[in-house]
Amino acid sequence: DAGITQSPRYKITETGRQVTLMCHQTWSHSYMFWYRQDLGHGLRLIYYSAAADITDKGEVPDGYVVSRSKTENFPLTLESATRSQTSVYFCASSVGGVVGDTQYFGPGTRLTVL
Amino acid sequence: GEDVEQSLFLSVREGDSSVINCTYTDSSSTYLYWYKQEPGAGLQLLTYIFSNMDMKQDQRLTVLLNKKDKHLSLRIADTQTGDSAIYFCAASGGYNKLIFGAGTRLAVHP
Repeated sequence: DAGITQSPRYKITETGRQVTLMCHQTWSHSYMFWYRQDLGHGLRLIYYSAAADITDKGEVPDGYVVSRSKTENFPLTLESATRSQTSVYFCASSVGGVVGDTQYFGPGTRLTVL
Repeated sequence: GEDVEQSLFLSVREGDSSVINCTYTDSSSTYLYWYKQEPGAGLQLLTYIFSNMDMKQDQRLTVLLNKKDKHLSLRIADTQTGDSAIYFCAASGGYNKLIFGAGTRLAVHP
């Protein structure tokens, strides 16, 4: 049982194209998160979701769209990719949204926008 | 908003202790976390400390919290080559949002 998985692990795309990064968790955790990791910035929260059909913006949401029709999936879409979106993207999940609930991270997707 | 800062690099000799430091700005952060990231992998929770604690020990790991100075440290005793990784400090930023530092790359050499 994989826990939390992300696909693809690596993606190269061109400026202006639409890209969707997938995240799937098998724990039925309520909360799911998308972060991007850039050198010198650590991880920054893009979007999070408290439950199916409930999503909210994080620190850096511009240029991204999320949806959550099922508890286990939380796809992240870049509607028109830009070079500044070249990054490593991490998905995470937690049982709840209470401070102190452990967030479990997927292995990441390395995205390059040419 | 909350800001978390860490030194970017630490080099230690195998068998020595490593101390990774972190400062944060929001005194209302309830939980403070240490995550480890190995090459090509996601983040793994190492330990966390509640803000009303001064110290937490977990096997080779010791977390010290100075709330007055908003300073958090992670000490790894008897550092091994398998401890080479990037270590992230994170502070709770409301609900279950985490604010991460930029990460400290720990290099362990023989």
